[in-house]
Amino acid sequence: GQQLNQSPQSMFIQEGEDVSMNCTSSSIFNTWLWYKQDPGEGPVLLIALYKAGELTSNGRLTAQFGITRKDSFLNISASIPSDVGIYFCAGQLPGYSTLTFGKGTMLLVSP
Amino acid sequence: NAGVTQTPKFQVLKTGQSMTLQCAQDMNHNSMYWYRQDPGMGLRLIYYSASEGTTDKGEVPNGYNVSRLNKREFSLRLESAAPSQTSVYFCASSEGQKMGSPLHFGNGTRLTVT
Repeated sequence: GQQLNQSPQSMFIQEGEDVSMNCTSSSIFNTWLWYKQDPGEGPVLLIALYKAGELTSNGRLTAQFGITRKDSFLNISASIPSDVGIYFCAGQLPGYSTLTFGKGTMLLVSP
Repeated sequence: NAGVTQTPKFQVLKTGQSMTLQCAQDMNHNSMYWYRQDPGMGLRLIYYSASEGTTDKGEVPNGYNVSRLNKREFSLRLESAAPSQTSVYFCASSEGQKMGSPLHFGNGTRLTVT
């Protein structure tokens, strides 16, 4: 199937630092979604992006739908310990009814 | 609202045993999905049901069967469990096939096959 390349694979940062992660593909996507998974739980939607160039914020989180429609990034500002978890990007290809998921970025935050 | 509820939360099976993972959603969503999550592999789609009465294979359907019992419930069956099916299984639902309908996930079933 189509692949999303999500990077970095993991990050270990200090509380208060800003974080950036991204997803890229060789294919064009119609939709980009960003999810967070807390330990022992299911992924929860953070931000949904539906238009090329769209920039959307949710509190300390900001995500953008790349202008080429082949990438997206997620930024977290002023990280706190509860930001710990796995962050997944997901995209919907034109003509497909299901989502393609990246392999996730594991974020660890040191107090 | 409970959202997406999965049972059981944990299960240990011996190779060759069968079991059914249950999933129910109370959001009146049309589409339901089963994923498995393995370390370093992300979320891989096993089967999905775009609407009541339909089911389709995903990326990794071998060794599994599904039943869309009604609009609320979508079960995943392992007929003869294998150690390679040790994983965390997530059920999800969405409003439907409109562009980019976000998925709502349950909290998972952790399955170990020995």
